[in-house]
Amino acid sequence: NAGVTQTPKFQVLKTGQSMTLQCAQDMNHNSMYWYRQDPGMGLRLIYYSASEGTTDKGEVPNGYNVSRLNKREFSLRLESAAPSQTSVYFCASRRDRLGSPLHFGNGTRLTVT
Amino acid sequence: DQQVKQNSPSLSVQEGRISILNCDYTNSMFDYFLWYKKYPAEGPTFLISISSIKDKNEDGRFTVFLNKSAKHLSLHIVPSQPGDSAVYFCAASPYNTDKLIFGTGTRLQVFP
Repeated sequence: NAGVTQTPKFQVLKTGQSMTLQCAQDMNHNSMYWYRQDPGMGLRLIYYSASEGTTDKGEVPNGYNVSRLNKREFSLRLESAAPSQTSVYFCASRRDRLGSPLHFGNGTRLTVT
Repeated sequence: DQQVKQNSPSLSVQEGRISILNCDYTNSMFDYFLWYKKYPAEGPTFLISISSIKDKNEDGRFTVFLNKSAKHLSLHIVPSQPGDSAVYFCAASPYNTDKLIFGTGTRLQVFP
């Protein structure tokens, strides 16, 4: 039972490059989330998807796009990376909002130089 | 505009004593609250939650208290153990949305 799997674990990009962070869950959860964690800022919500086919902006969506490819997969794309996007990115999922907690992946550490 | 605030960045407690972690929120539409624990190089893991219809929830050594009038919740860990040393995040979910907003975290250190 893998839970929430994120790839890659580490990535270094140059300013202006693009990349996609992948996330998959095997728990048949409806909702999926992308967060970034920065020192002193806690976990900030980038985008979330309440169900397959829907996505919504979180607290810090600028510079990112997402795709809910199917119920299992939720990807995060940086079209033109900036140093301010250097962060640790966490994907999470939960069954639904009614009394169920988020389950997190182990994160992707992204450095943009 | 930080809707969920953890004003203490760090807390140091002796083993066996009580740890109290605090969290304040500003949005009266929040109706579900959770606490997460995070070790370095790992994703956060769920600890305990509370619905706004309750004011207390216990799970073993962990108890969460909710004071809706003060928009304040706290996590009590009794007795504290060295393995509890981690960063603790509180989180809140507004009524009828799937958003989950986290605080900035409190680093707890439990020393022998």
